[in-house]
Amino acid sequence: KAGVTQTPRYLIKTRGQQVTLSCSPISGHRSVSWYQQTPGQGLQFLFEYFSETQRNKGNFPGRFSGRQFSNSRSEMNVSTLELGDSALYLCASSLDPSDGTGELFFGEGSRLTVL
Amino acid sequence: SQQGEEDPQALSIQEGENATMNCSYKTSINNLQWYRQNSGRGLVHLILIRSNEREKHSGRLRVTLDTSKKSSSLLITASRAADTASYFCATDAYNQGGKLIFGQGTELSVKP
Repeated sequence: KAGVTQTPRYLIKTRGQQVTLSCSPISGHRSVSWYQQTPGQGLQFLFEYFSETQRNKGNFPGRFSGRQFSNSRSEMNVSTLELGDSALYLCASSLDPSDGTGELFFGEGSRLTVL
Repeated sequence: SQQGEEDPQALSIQEGENATMNCSYKTSINNLQWYRQNSGRGLVHLILIRSNEREKHSGRLRVTLDTSKKSSSLLITASRAADTASYFCATDAYNQGGKLIFGQGTELSVKP
């Protein structure tokens, strides 16, 4: 079974630009969540999607947005990039157990550098 | 704010020794999970312990959970150089469906 695939793996942008990151979950997984990882703030939750609906959102500005498609693939977008957006962006997929968030399966991440 | 706080931030041991990492959290949880991350890579799930469980084992891993103290510990026995990585606890809190809150992590270095 293929794992979670994130593209691109590395990218460099300049301030003010926008970026779109893509995530393909494990087949059969309907929940996709996104996390930002930086040395200073650690792993921070961005948002989670299930069946094309955003179920939960972290404390990030509106420049950060996402969506999920009918095949469970997800994208996240960051507009008007700032230097502080430089980070490793991790996508994770999971089944949706009724008794709480279960095991997350992570992709290798997209490393964004903003110059 | 971070739900999980981990201790120590860094740990250096020799191969064959045991490594213990601790995690504290703030609110009621459904479950607590531990993940491992090799430098700059994605996270790998290690073990999940539910709020009604007190201890769980998986291979060389032993996890305990004390909900009265809102704390958990991860013990890695007979460590190997390949265990060198960062270890994170993550909580699935009530009323926060669909997301995990991660601690800052413990950086473990196992010297051969």
